Amino acid sequence: AQSVSQHNHHVILSEAASLELGCNYSYGGTVNLFWYVQYPGQHLQLLLKYFSGDPLVKGIKGFEAEFIKSKFSFNLRKPSVQWSDTAEYFCAVNSVNAGNMLTFGGGTRLMVKP
Amino acid sequence: DADVTQTPRNRITKTGKRIMLECSQTKGHDRMYWYRQDPGLGLRLIYYSFDVKDINKGEISDGYSVSRQAQAKFSLSLESAIPNQTALYFCATSDLRAGGADTGELFFGEGSRLTVL
Repeated sequence: AQSVSQHNHHVILSEAASLELGCNYSYGGTVNLFWYVQYPGQHLQLLLKYFSGDPLVKGIKGFEAEFIKSKFSFNLRKPSVQWSDTAEYFCAVNSVNAGNMLTFGGGTRLMVKP
Repeated sequence: DADVTQTPRNRITKTGKRIMLECSQTKGHDRMYWYRQDPGLGLRLIYYSFDVKDINKGEISDGYSVSRQAQAKFSLSLESAIPNQTALYFCATSDLRAGGADTGELFFGEGSRLTVL
C-alpha cells in the first residue's frame, strides 16, 4: 500500500523566512502529487499539483514544489513566508494502479510569527 | 454558496447515539468521498462512491455506513457513536477529466466537527 510521510509535524517561522516542507511517498509507479492547505477553521483547498512535465510546479500564493522521482519526494517551498501562511499543509499522492485514490500525509502545522 | 455543503457543521452527542452527517454538492461530480481528520494522522478515507450505485469501503470503514441518495448527495452514518469517533469529518468530490482518468484532485466541504461524549 502506498504511504505518504511528512516528517515535520510543527514548524514555526518568522515572517520573511524561507520555507521548505518535506514530503516523501512510498510508491514506485506513476503518481500524481498534490499539496493541500487548510487555513484555521477552513476546509482543505488545493495549493498545487503535479501530473507530468516540468517537475518544478508553481502554485498559488507564491508556493512551489519540486518532484524528485529518484528520491520519491515532493517538497513544498516558499522563499518568504507571511503571517497569512499560518495553516496546516497536507501532501497527498495517488497512483493509477491504486485506483487513483488519494493518500494523505499526516500534515505539517505551520505557524508564522509576525 | 459553497460547492460542497456539509451539515451539521458541529455536533456533540453521547455514546451509543445514531448520528448522520450529510453532504450535498453542486459541482456535478460523480465521485464523492468521506474522510475523517485526526491530529497527526492527516485525512483517512472512510467510504467512497463513484456513482449512485457504487459504494466502496475505504481505509477505516468499521463503525460507519453511507448512503448515496442521488448524484449530489452522500451521507455518512454512525450507527452507535463511540468516543474515538470524535473527529473532523470532510466530504469531498472529484471528477473524471477527458480520457476518463480521475486526476485525484478533491474538492472539499467545510467539515463537520463531531464530538462523542
